[in-house]
Amino acid sequence: DVKVTQSSRYLVKRTGEKVFLECVQDMDHENMFWYRQDPGLGLRLIYFSYDVKMKEKGDIPEGYSVSREKKERFSLILESASTNQTSMYLCASTLLLNTEAFFGQGTRLTVV
Amino acid sequence: AQSVTQPDIHITVSEGASLELRCNYSYGATPYLFWYVQSPGQGLQLLLKYFSGDTLVQGIKGFEAEFKRSQSSFNLRKPSVHWSDAAEYFCAVGTGTASKLTFGTGTRLQVTL
Repeated sequence: DVKVTQSSRYLVKRTGEKVFLECVQDMDHENMFWYRQDPGLGLRLIYFSYDVKMKEKGDIPEGYSVSREKKERFSLILESASTNQTSMYLCASTLLLNTEAFFGQGTRLTVV
Repeated sequence: AQSVTQPDIHITVSEGASLELRCNYSYGATPYLFWYVQSPGQGLQLLLKYFSGDTLVQGIKGFEAEFKRSQSSFNLRKPSVHWSDAAEYFCAVGTGTASKLTFGTGTRLQVTL
C-alpha cells in the first residue's frame, strides 16, 4: 500500500518559534507537495518539489520555506510562526505530474 | 490561471437518495480533473479522475462523474447514497504544463437516516 506519513497529527507552537513539519513517502514518487487547508478556502498549495533539492513556490509561499534533501522526505518550515498560520497542513506526493496525488493524514498546527 | 468552483458549500441528502455535487472549472485547454473525498480527521482519497477519452468516468464506492466541455463542468454523482458517504468532497483541476492541482473550496455532504 502506498503511504505518505506526516510526523505529527497535532502540534501546538508559540508565536515566533521555528516549526518543522515532516513528510515521508515510501512510493519512490518524484513530486511532493505541501498544502494548507482552511474552512471555506479549500486546499491551497504552499510549495512543491519535483526532484531532490528542487522546489517551486505555490500560491501562498509567504512565511514558509521547504527542504528536500532526500527523495522520500519533504519538510515544511515556518521560519517564525504566527497565529495566522494556524491551520491543517497536508502533504501529498505523485509519481508523475498530474497523476493521482496521495495524501498524508494531515497535521493540525495551532500557533498561540 | 486555472480555477475551480464548487457552488454548494453544504448539501444534505437522505440515505438512499441520489446525489449530484457540482464542479465548474476555468482553464483554456483540456484539463485533468479529479474528485477527492475527505472523511473527518483524515487525508484526501481519490474517488475518480478524468484525463481523456470517455467523458463518463467511474470511480470507487459507486461514484461516477461526467466531463462536459461545453459547460466546463465535472459533476460527481451517485445513484444511492449511504450514511458512510458523509464527508467533504473536493474537485480539483490539473493542467498540462502546470505542476500542481488547484482545488475547489469543497462541499460538505451530510446524510440523514
